[in-house]
Amino acid sequence: GQSLEQPSEVTAVEGAIVQINCTYQTSGFYGLSWYQQHDGGAPTFLSYNGLDGLEETGRFSSFLSRSDSYGYLLLQELQMKDSASYFCAGVNQAGTALIFGKGTTLSVSS
Amino acid sequence: NAGVMQNPRHLVRRRGQEARLRCSPVKGHSHVYWYRQLPEEGLKFMVYLQKENIIDESGMPKERFSAEFPKEGPSILRIQQVVRGDSAAYFCASSPGVQTNTGELFFGEGSRLTVL
Repeated sequence: GQSLEQPSEVTAVEGAIVQINCTYQTSGFYGLSWYQQHDGGAPTFLSYNGLDGLEETGRFSSFLSRSDSYGYLLLQELQMKDSASYFCAGVNQAGTALIFGKGTTLSVSS
Repeated sequence: NAGVMQNPRHLVRRRGQEARLRCSPVKGHSHVYWYRQLPEEGLKFMVYLQKENIIDESGMPKERFSAEFPKEGPSILRIQQVVRGDSAAYFCASSPGVQTNTGELFFGEGSRLTVL
């Protein structure tokens, strides 16, 4: 089957750097996406890695290693507003839809 | 510049009633996905539709649940004879094309169903 595993919770302080890891098992691979969700609201797209390496978008970066079936989301210069749930996602076996990990709750304190 | 619009945002039903959740995708998007989320859980894929076609319904229960995306109008997720276990947030997402190339979906704010 297909699955994506990520830690359930991460805590950090303002200004710090935090890394959220994601390991996956899929029979076919189309890339790894990351989404942010605040308080059960609309999940919003953060980044996508189709190839190995690092993608940077402002304070957020995402990394993928296909040989290790592993990726991570790196958040720098943490702010209180970054407190949210973060989900990694990959395409299902049929290639038709994204399947999501269970999410990592990030709590940023002052 | 409307994003994905879902309604109702909150719906309360008694056991045995029907729930209808509506989703209007981003203008110009012809691919719609429905997901279900329980508290403290991830998003569970239910169904993927294109206009007038169900492409993948592998995540949708075989009974009581149905979905459509007609040529005109919103996509509708229909739950018949609801049970308490159907209580969840139902999210709709859309994309302009197949999202395997970009990994990007546009989500609505969700419809929260409570079954009494």
